[in-house]
Amino acid sequence: GENVEQHPSTLSVQEGDSAVIKCTYSDSASNYFPWYKQELGKRPQLIIDIRSNVGEKKDQRIAVTLNKTAKHFSLHITETQPEDSAVYFCAASTNTGNQFYFGTGTSLTVIP
Amino acid sequence: EAQVTQNPRYLITVTGKKLTVTCSQNMNHEYMSWYRQDPGLGLRQIYYSMNVEVTDKGDVPEGYKVSRKEKRNFPLILESPSPNQTSLYFCASSLYGGSHSPLHFGNGTRLTVT
Repeated sequence: GENVEQHPSTLSVQEGDSAVIKCTYSDSASNYFPWYKQELGKRPQLIIDIRSNVGEKKDQRIAVTLNKTAKHFSLHITETQPEDSAVYFCAASTNTGNQFYFGTGTSLTVIP
Repeated sequence: EAQVTQNPRYLITVTGKKLTVTCSQNMNHEYMSWYRQDPGLGLRQIYYSMNVEVTDKGDVPEGYKVSRKEKRNFPLILESPSPNQTSLYFCASSLYGGSHSPLHFGNGTRLTVT
């Protein structure tokens, strides 16, 4: 099955700086890559997603890039704010596999 | 309000005592699934269901059962819980599953088995 690796496991940045979280996947058939944010004690919530026919997608301060050749995708958060502090999970899914495979998570801390 | 509802939120039980965690969604979603979340391991899929009466194993199905008799409900059953099943469990649903639509998660059930 698919194997999704996520780095780094923890990340601390100063408020206003950028944060980048990277994921790699193994199954070339994966074609959907969502990112979830999980605040402490809460459920994961979708923040952005990208499909394999798109190289980049942006939503305000959040962007995701996808390199299908290298099988990696990244989450970029610009102008970080304390409320961005959370655990972020990447995931991959195929059109026919009907399963979502998650990375192990990145704990982001934004220092005021 | 569109949501996925899990119950209970917290559960403490003893080894071997059968338990059920309920999950219900009101969005008419075809796809439902269960995950467990453990520190350093992320979210691992236990079981999923593409539609009523259709269920499939995920990556960590041992010790769990599920059923999908109705579209809206997808209970998780632990017939004989063991301490290694102590974890945070999430139910999730999506309109179609796979790469077609994103997952919507419930609020989680923290299970402790002593």
